[in-house]
Amino acid sequence: NAGVTQTPKFQVLKTGQSMTLQCAQDMNHNSMYWYRQDPGMGLRLIYYSASEGTTDKGEVPNGYNVSRLNKREFSLRLESAAPSQTSVYFCASSEKRWGEQYFGPGTRLTVT
Amino acid sequence: GQQLNQSPQSMFIQEGEDVSMNCTSSSIFNTWLWYKQDPGEGPVLLIALYKAGELTSNGRLTAQFGTTRKDSFLNISASIPSDVGIYFCAGQSPRGSQGNLIFGKGTKLSVKP
Repeated sequence: NAGVTQTPKFQVLKTGQSMTLQCAQDMNHNSMYWYRQDPGMGLRLIYYSASEGTTDKGEVPNGYNVSRLNKREFSLRLESAAPSQTSVYFCASSEKRWGEQYFGPGTRLTVT
Repeated sequence: GQQLNQSPQSMFIQEGEDVSMNCTSSSIFNTWLWYKQDPGEGPVLLIALYKAGELTSNGRLTAQFGTTRKDSFLNISASIPSDVGIYFCAGQSPRGSQGNLIFGKGTKLSVKP
């Protein structure tokens, strides 16, 4: 039982490049989330998926898109990376929409 | 938007001392969660609180859901070196609102061995 897994662990992009961050959970959770963590800013919600087949914007969605591929997987895509998207990205999941969230190990992204 | 004020921002303590930190909000929450994050890792859930006044322990950690529903407290007793890390509080609004988790900015705990 791995919990929440994320790939890749590290990534360096040039401005304008695109990439997809992958997230999977094996806890049969209904809800999944993408956060970014910046120094002094705490964790901020980018997008979430309350259940399979639905996605909604969080606090900072601009420049990102998401796909809830199935119940297990929730991906985050940067279509045209910008230096302001340099951050650590965390995926999380929870059994219910309102409840305890469990986090993955993070993806450290640098955009130059 | 909603904000959580978490304090202190950082603290240095001697091994064996007790630690206290808290979070306050201008809005009421139905859920308070406390997480710990080690360097290079994701946050790990320590304690979840669902009821005003609730007091819950997890080993040497004790957390309380404030009676006003606008604050929460975390205490660590007899700290040890492995307690080093960043502790985050998170509050969740009542159902009917967007209900997303709002995170504090963290309390960085450093222990002198």
